[in-house]
Amino acid sequence: NFMLTQPHSVSESPGKTVTISCTRSSGSIASNFVQWFQQRPGSAPTTVIYEDNQRPSGVPDRFSGSIDSSSNSASLTISGLKTEDEADYFCQSYNSDIYVVFGGGTRLTVL
Amino acid sequence: QVQLVQSGAEVKKPGASVKVSCKASGYTFTTYGISWVRQAPGQGLEWMGWINVYNGKSNSAQKFQGRITMTTDTSRSTAYMDLRSLRSDDTAVYYCAKDRGLRPVHWGQGTLVTVSS
Repeated sequence: NFMLTQPHSVSESPGKTVTISCTRSSGSIASNFVQWFQQRPGSAPTTVIYEDNQRPSGVPDRFSGSIDSSSNSASLTISGLKTEDEADYFCQSYNSDIYVVFGGGTRLTVL
Repeated sequence: QVQLVQSGAEVKKPGASVKVSCKASGYTFTTYGISWVRQAPGQGLEWMGWINVYNGKSNSAQKFQGRITMTTDTSRSTAYMDLRSLRSDDTAVYYCAKDRGLRPVHWGQGTLVTVSS
C-alpha cells in the first residue's frame, strides 16, 4: 500500500499563485488518477480536479492539476488567488487492489 | 444539476447500527458508482468503500470489512451505507459521492453520526 503526503499548510496573498504538492510514497503517481478536493470550514468537500487535470463544470480555470513522474507527485495550482479559495485541500488516489487513500490535507490561507 | 441528498443526523449507542441514505438526482444513477467517505471531528477524509451501482458489486476498506454493507435501490436512485457494531470512534460526518470508479466527482452534504452512551 502507499501514502500520499501533503504539506500541512501554505499561505499566499490575493492575486498570487500557489501550488500544493501531493507525493506518492510507493508505486508510480502516473499509474492511477489523482483527484483534488476543496473543503471550506463546516462544508462538505467539493471536487476541483479529477483524473489528474480535469475540472468539473463550474470550477474556474484558475484551478489546474498536473503530474510529475520525476518527483512522483501531483500538484494543484491555484492562480489569481481569492479570499474565497481559503480552505483545506485534499488529494486522493488509488491502486489496482482497490486501495484508496487520501492525503492528510493542506490548509490554504489567503492573506 | 447533479445532487446527492443524504439522510439526517443520527445519535446511536455503542454496539448499535446506523443506515445512511443518499438520494441521487440529475444524472443516470446506474452509470456511476457511489463512494462512501467519512471525516471524524477535526480530522481528514477516510475512504470507507465503493459500490458499482450498475452491477451491485462493492469493495470496502479493510478496516470496515465485516461491519459495512453498501446497497442501492435503483428504482429510487438511492444508495445506502449500513455500519454495524458502532463504537465511539465511529463518530464522524459520513459522505456519499458520485464516483467515476474510485474517483469521486460530486458529493452529498454529509450526515453526522454521533455514537455515545
